Amino acid sequence: AQSVAQPEDQVNVAEGNPLTVKCTYSVSGNPYLFWYVQYPNRGLQFLLKYITGDNLVKGSYGFEAEFNKSQTSFHLKKPSALVSDSALYFCAVFGGFKTIFGAGTRLFVKA
Amino acid sequence: DTGVSQDPRHKITKRGQNVTFRCDPISEHNRLYWYRQTLGQGPEFLTYFQNEAQLEKSRLLSDRFSAERPKGSFSTLEIQRTEQGDSAMYLCASSFGLAGAYEQYFGPGTRLTVT
Repeated sequence: AQSVAQPEDQVNVAEGNPLTVKCTYSVSGNPYLFWYVQYPNRGLQFLLKYITGDNLVKGSYGFEAEFNKSQTSFHLKKPSALVSDSALYFCAVFGGFKTIFGAGTRLFVKA
Repeated sequence: DTGVSQDPRHKITKRGQNVTFRCDPISEHNRLYWYRQTLGQGPEFLTYFQNEAQLEKSRLLSDRFSAERPKGSFSTLEIQRTEQGDSAMYLCASSFGLAGAYEQYFGPGTRLTVT
């Protein structure tokens, strides 16, 4: 059965510093991987996805993610964090006809 | 705005009552999903439709839950004989395409409180 793990409940980073939000997955076959963001009082928004091809995918708001097949990871990254990036981030994997979401990682960017 | 809409946004009901939620997806999207989200957790898959056909339903889903998508447009999620454990945010999402490679667009959710 497919699963997603986000090992950190919260990530704290100073504005201007690089950030990483971790995600590992388990799925049979080729994975379809996604990152979504949830701002307070707003619905989940799509950030980026990996389907096939280049292991480094770029998405909205300057975010990118690196697919690592050997480590079954899909970590979300941004070179320079903004206070406005503070939100709840979800990693998700599609497999077996449905999408499974991780428990989420709260990102807090301090000015 | 042509995003996914959900109605109502909030619902307070007494235990044992039935509730029904509506979701209007993005018009050209053929896939529609229902999720449940509780505090501190990610969205939990409930069911999904491709056009009007319900193709998958979570095995964790009680028989008190039922969903429909007549004519492949809007969808309704009904919970019968609500229990306090049903209190959660119910999310609807839609996507385009016949496979899971396409991102989902989420509505604002319906927050259900069962007293």
